[in-house]
Amino acid sequence: GAVVSQHPSRVICKSGTSVKIECRSLDFQATTMFWYRQFPKQSLMLMATSNEGSKATYEQGVEKDKFLINHASLTLSTLTVTSAHPEDSSFYICSARRYVGRGNNEQFFGPGTRLTVL
Amino acid sequence: EDQVTQSPEALRLQEGESSSLNCSYTVSGLRGLFWYRQDPGKGPEFLFTLYSAGEEKEKERLKATLTKKESFLHITAPKPEDSATYLCAVQARSNYQLIWGAGTKLIIKP
Repeated sequence: GAVVSQHPSRVICKSGTSVKIECRSLDFQATTMFWYRQFPKQSLMLMATSNEGSKATYEQGVEKDKFLINHASLTLSTLTVTSAHPEDSSFYICSARRYVGRGNNEQFFGPGTRLTVL
Repeated sequence: EDQVTQSPEALRLQEGESSSLNCSYTVSGLRGLFWYRQDPGKGPEFLFTLYSAGEEKEKERLKATLTKKESFLHITAPKPEDSATYLCAVQARSNYQLIWGAGTKLIIKP
């Protein structure tokens, strides 16, 4: 199977600081990765699509200057939450897309990062 | 508008009691339908991708089927460790974004 890792799994920070979350595809190359946010008992909310070597595409309502995404290699995407505030506290999950031929693809998720902003 | 509806919202079964979860969808050209399992506090775990009507896939006690309007996730003789939220998502041919259902919370009682 395909493995996606995320680091850190938990982070607690003070309001106003920045936090970086890493997402790595461990056994396949991913030209496209995705960042999601999930609130308790709710489904996944797509924040942005991260493309290797180009700018990320953000969903409507997601502040690109607050949630900085960098996809510098085929196995690593990072999400930086800048000047974090308590309302940014959430569960952040990344995923990586793997092509399986004939235009088909599968998406594998990381274990998630629990961010708590005090 | 592309849409995914999962039912029921929650399902409680006794251990060994087989059942099915439903995922109904409307999409302008299906590229693929995905099933995931999510445990509390963890990211979704990939289960299956189905690409065309009539396709079936199996993994241990799980079997996923696909028609032109819906997919079923059949659970045979479930065990307590099968308890989780099961998520369904579809992908349209027009783009690669996943459109998610709200999930079905499955609870298997010993």
